[in-house]
Amino acid sequence: NAGVTQTPKFRILKIGQSMTLQCTQDMNHNYMYWYRQDPGMGLKLIYYSVGAGITDKGEVPNGYNVSRSTTEDFPLRLELAAPSQTSVYFCASRPTGGGNQPQHFGDGTRLSIL
Amino acid sequence: GENVEQHPSTLSVQEGDSAVIKCTYSDSASNYFPWYKQELGKRPQLIIDIRSNVGEKKDQRIAVTLNKTAKHFSLHITETQPEDSAVYFCAAWRTDSWGKFQFGAGTQVVVTP
Repeated sequence: NAGVTQTPKFRILKIGQSMTLQCTQDMNHNYMYWYRQDPGMGLKLIYYSVGAGITDKGEVPNGYNVSRSTTEDFPLRLELAAPSQTSVYFCASRPTGGGNQPQHFGDGTRLSIL
Repeated sequence: GENVEQHPSTLSVQEGDSAVIKCTYSDSASNYFPWYKQELGKRPQLIIDIRSNVGEKKDQRIAVTLNKTAKHFSLHITETQPEDSAVYFCAAWRTDSWGKFQFGAGTQVVVTP
């Protein structure tokens, strides 16, 4: 299993541009998450999904959109990029089930908005 | 909603000494508490976790303790080594939270030789 795969690893955007951060997992996990991590800070939840077709906002959803058309994929869309969105973005997934299970993180996408 | 406070924010220890990080949670219904280690430029990785029906769990040099009455849980690292230098995050989760975890702000641990 590859686990959680994020692409691209690095990206530089100009202010006002748009892009999609890709996230895919091959573990058949229902729960998927997007976090951002600013330098020296903790993880802030942007959006999450409990299954295909179901998404909901986290703590900091403004400026982002998501979709979940399949169990495997959970792309994050940035519209009209702003310098405040410069951050490292982590995607994570987690199995559903009665047991308590941890999240599995991807390697992150380092995004700079200039 | 759940709030997780993590202390200290930075911790410097001599190689071979022990390190302790403490997290306090607010929601008494929280029932699962993972700890993640994040090395510089890398992704968070699970190092140990504990469920609410257990008071302590050990895995080699790391251990986690849980005090449900006081609503806090702690990470203990013994015989610290330079490779233990990283940021450590605690998290809390409850069964009916739609899978959302509440993370602490992180502790930067520096192990000096």
